[in-house]
Amino acid sequence: RKEVEQDPGPFNVPEGATVAFNCTYSNSASQSFFWYRQDCRKEPKLLMSVYSSGNEDGRFTAQLNRASQYISLLIRDSKLSDSATYLCVVNIYGSSNTGKLIFGQGTTLQVKP
Amino acid sequence: DGGITQSPKYLFRKEGQNVTLSCEQNLNHDAMYWYRQDPGQGLRLIYYSQIVNDFQKGDIAEGYSVSREKKESFPLTVTSAQKNPTAFYLCASRPGPGGQPQHFGDGTRLSIL
Repeated sequence: RKEVEQDPGPFNVPEGATVAFNCTYSNSASQSFFWYRQDCRKEPKLLMSVYSSGNEDGRFTAQLNRASQYISLLIRDSKLSDSATYLCVVNIYGSSNTGKLIFGQGTTLQVKP
Repeated sequence: DGGITQSPKYLFRKEGQNVTLSCEQNLNHDAMYWYRQDPGQGLRLIYYSQIVNDFQKGDIAEGYSVSREKKESFPLTVTSAQKNPTAFYLCASRPGPGGQPQHFGDGTRLSIL
C-alpha cells in the first residue's frame, strides 16, 4: 500500500462547478499536511497547508481527518485556470525530530468552458 | 528575489557519461532535496541534506551522487550507473527538517542521446 494515495483522475468539470479531492495516508506519525499544485511540465507550487481545524483560502478549503487519516481539498466556483494536477503531501516525523515529505501521485483536474 | 535556481533547464546525456545538475538557493534554508519525476508519476526522493557537509540517501539513490559543501548549493550528479536517467529532476529546499513545506526550483529535464 502506498503511503499517500490519491485518485489520479482526471476529474473533468465545467466552469463554476465545485470539486473535491481526497487523499489518504497510512502513517499515523504524519504530522503536517499540504496541498501543492503542479502545472504541466512545471514544478510543484505550494497551494496551502492543511490545519487540524480546517482552513480556507478564497475558493479553496482544506480539511484534515486524523481519525480516518485523510485530507481533502474543495475547490468552489472552478475556473479554467484551476486546471492542473493537485499533489497531496504529508510530513512524517522520524527520529531526532526530522521530517520527511511524502508526495502522492497527484489528482488531475480539467475545467472545461 | 529569493528563490531556488536549477540549471540547466534541459540536459542531454550520452551513454556512459556522468552529468551534474546544479541547484542553488538564496533563501538561507538548511534542508535541501532532490527528486525525480517520471511522466504520470509522483515525486521520488533521491537524496536530501539537512545541514552542510551531511546528506542522506532517499528512496532511489542508486546511480546518483550529491555533495553539500556550501549551504546554498546542492549539486546532483547522474552517473553512468543510472541506467534510466531520462526524467524531470526537481530540487527543493525548506528552512529546516521539521514540518515546514518545501519550495521547488523550476526543474531540469534530462534526456538520453
